[in-house]
Amino acid sequence: GAGVSQTPSNKVTEKGKYVELRCDPISGHTALYWYRQSLGQGPEFLIYFQGTGAADDSGLPNDRFFAVRPEGSVSTLKIQRTERGDSAVYLCASSSGQGPGYTFGSGTRLTVV
Amino acid sequence: GNSVTQMEGPVTLSEEAFLTINCTYTATGYPSLFWYVQYPGEGLQLLLKATKADDKGSNKGFEATYRKETTSFHLEKGSVQVSDSAVYFCALSDSGGSNYKLTFGKGTLLTVNP
Repeated sequence: GAGVSQTPSNKVTEKGKYVELRCDPISGHTALYWYRQSLGQGPEFLIYFQGTGAADDSGLPNDRFFAVRPEGSVSTLKIQRTERGDSAVYLCASSSGQGPGYTFGSGTRLTVV
Repeated sequence: GNSVTQMEGPVTLSEEAFLTINCTYTATGYPSLFWYVQYPGEGLQLLLKATKADDKGSNKGFEATYRKETTSFHLEKGSVQVSDSAVYFCALSDSGGSNYKLTFGKGTLLTVNP
């Protein structure tokens, strides 16, 4: 596609539920990134994929968070047993190679009630 | 660890006013520096960047100079327009093998009135 697409744009879930957030990167981009932006803060790095593998998952806050990219294109961020503190905008970005000149999607706003 | 501190907003200006948004950083090594902009309802867009000391990044009338001696990367524009209203984020990337990882400031909301 023309840009990075994230779905859904908004998600409201109850505390304790499981959620999946989807990212469709720019076609041909091998690198994919997830960031989390809490209210009033800048985005914070979560995980970086190069192809199908997670090259750096050091930003995932705990083992309730997991991300996959099985075919090296679409990625899914999975959050188990959601907590109210997980409420944030989750941003996805992609690039054609390693390096920070990447293109961000519009994000998924997750609200845990 | 790395950190970015940028001027707190909100900043409100009249059209054609001069803009400065201050940004300072703390980092090891030789990071690259960036300004991203987020227009209402849109994703983050790269506005400009500089990869080494004394480099000047520029785009759409905005400029910022990488000042290693003051660890700063202040954003400036000589004459703002209503369409510049957005949130501006200063960021740096790690140096070396983890240069893909960005550290952002908290963002500065700019509102330009006609």
